[in-house]
Amino acid sequence: LAKTTQPISMDSYEGQEVNITCSHNNIATNDYITWYQQFPSQGPRFIIQGYKTKVTNEVASLFIPADRKSSTLSLPRVSLSDTAVYYCLVGSNSGYSTLTFGKGTMLLVSP
Amino acid sequence: DAGVTQSPTHLIKTRGQHVTLRCSPISGHKSVSWYQQVLGQGPQFIFQYYEKEERGRGNFPDRFSARQFPNYSSELNVNALLLGDSALYLCASSLTSGRSVGELFFGEGSRLTVL
Repeated sequence: LAKTTQPISMDSYEGQEVNITCSHNNIATNDYITWYQQFPSQGPRFIIQGYKTKVTNEVASLFIPADRKSSTLSLPRVSLSDTAVYYCLVGSNSGYSTLTFGKGTMLLVSP
Repeated sequence: DAGVTQSPTHLIKTRGQHVTLRCSPISGHKSVSWYQQVLGQGPQFIFQYYEKEERGRGNFPDRFSARQFPNYSSELNVNALLLGDSALYLCASSLTSGRSVGELFFGEGSRLTVL
């Protein structure tokens, strides 16, 4: 079961790019990397998922180096509404029931 | 389209009581997972069901049980409640079978307070 390590918190200002790095040294060959966002008293919301290199969607980019032992979630031009907890998950295709949420990274965006 | 719905949204119980939490997945989703989220922590996996069969179980005591019905809705039951069971209980549904990693769609949760 691949464990992830993320910074506990990060601060940013509106309009800046935010990069949150997640370490997963024991990632297995079949593991995917998934990021979720959670606002207080709400369920987590899927942001992006990737296996290797770079993935981009309308809200974020995910950078995964060749060794896949870390990944970086990039949020372009954050706004106040991006203040939330961001979770990095590593899941095996033997069943995503093995997905484990860590404590996540609390991102605070200020004016 | 309706998302994942959970009921009740809030409830208060006393120690030793029993609680049943309910979840309706997104239409077409056959997999349901349950998570417990204690304040300040990330969600912790409790159970996963697919096609009415248990496919995964987290590190929770036998006081926790669940089931999935033919319409793919699910119930989480917790017996002999302890103060430490106070948490936000999240249900997530997915299209995937549990044999591949896919997007989880979470409900808003059921906030359980045990006094």
